[in-house]
Amino acid sequence: GQSLEQPSEVTAVEGAIVQINCTYQTSGFYGLSWYQQHDGGAPTFLSYNALDGLEETGRFSSFLSRSDSYGYLLLQELQMKDSASYFCAVSAGGGNKLTFGTGTQLKVEL
Amino acid sequence: DAGVIQSPRHEVTEMGQEVTLRCKPISGHDYLFWYRQTMMRGLELLIYFNNNVPIDDSGMPEDRFSAKMPNASFSTLKIQPSEPRDSAVYFCASSLQGGDYGYTFGSGTRLTVV
Repeated sequence: GQSLEQPSEVTAVEGAIVQINCTYQTSGFYGLSWYQQHDGGAPTFLSYNALDGLEETGRFSSFLSRSDSYGYLLLQELQMKDSASYFCAVSAGGGNKLTFGTGTQLKVEL
Repeated sequence: DAGVIQSPRHEVTEMGQEVTLRCKPISGHDYLFWYRQTMMRGLELLIYFNNNVPIDDSGMPEDRFSAKMPNASFSTLKIQPSEPRDSAVYFCASSLQGGDYGYTFGSGTRLTVV
């Protein structure tokens, strides 16, 4: 099976940079994805990494190290609206299915 | 595109009753997923379809749960009989082939079984 670990909660101030880490154990790894979910809302897709390195999309970046079974999501210039839960998810073994981590609740404070 | 459409948004039912949740995926997406989210267990994959064919239903909790996808634009998840422990938010999601496209989730159905 698969297992993923991420911190349960992170707090940061508006304008700061925050990094949310994710470690995983799986066989047949394909890629690591990140999703954002606001309270009462649905998860929304942020990024996907299949190869080692950094992918940047605006204020958000995602990193993957396949050899370390590790990735992170980097959020820059934090805004209050970034307060949400962030999930890492692995795709493995083919078939396009995702296994989600337990989520990291990010609180952005003034 | 209107996105993934789920109905109903909220459902309150009594234990023992049958519940049917509905999902319309994004046109052209060939994968459809049903997830359940609870505080205790997080986001769990129940079942997924590829081109309307069930591929993996290993996450379906028990025989009380069943899912169908009669055509590319419609899927149902049925619970019969429902139990209080089935209370959760049920999400449907669709995607194209390949993880880099990501899933598009519907707004979810909040199910409460009393």
